[in-house]
Amino acid sequence: EDQVTQSPEALRLQEGESSSLNCSYTVSGLRGLFWYRQDPGKGPEFLFTLYSAGEEKEKERLKATLTKKESFLHITAPKPEDSATYLCAVHPQGGSEKLVFGKGTKLTVNP
Amino acid sequence: NAGVMQNPRHLVRRRGQEARLRCSPMKGHSHVYWYRQLPEEGLKFMVYLQKENIIDESGMPKERFSAEFPKEGPSILRIQQVVRGDSAAYFCASSPTTAYNEKLFFGSGTQLSVL
Repeated sequence: EDQVTQSPEALRLQEGESSSLNCSYTVSGLRGLFWYRQDPGKGPEFLFTLYSAGEEKEKERLKATLTKKESFLHITAPKPEDSATYLCAVHPQGGSEKLVFGKGTKLTVNP
Repeated sequence: NAGVMQNPRHLVRRRGQEARLRCSPMKGHSHVYWYRQLPEEGLKFMVYLQKENIIDESGMPKERFSAEFPKEGPSILRIQQVVRGDSAAYFCASSPTTAYNEKLFFGSGTQLSVL
């Protein structure tokens, strides 16, 4: 069964304190791995798509990387406005268009 | 260009009533997906539709749940005879082509509370 596990469940950082969020996945085949940001009371907002091991994508203070078993979302010098829940999802092979989501990491950045 | 619109934002139903959740995709998008988010759980896929067709309903409970995306108008997720376990946030997403090729755009969700 396709599975996505995110860690930690919650993370508190001081402003400027860099860290990484982990997404481990088990799939029969990977068509793509997605990172989303979700603010309270809102729907997920797309951040990145990664397709193959070794691929990296960057956007402002965020950088996503992918290996054959996991993905990391690196946050450099975070600001309070980066506080949100970060969701990881995989698109397994097999013909279905569904995404399999992890439970997310709730990030809080204190000023 | 308006985003994915969902209504209502909040819906309260008593056990046994029907719930109708509406989703208008982004302009130009013909692919709609419904996901459910239970408390402390991740988003779970329910159904994938294109105009007038259900493509994949593998995540939808066999009983009481149905979905449609008519030629005109919004996509509707219908839950008959709701039970307390149906209480959740229901999110709709749309894309211009399939999820594999394009990122999904999510609406703000409908929070269903069953009393």
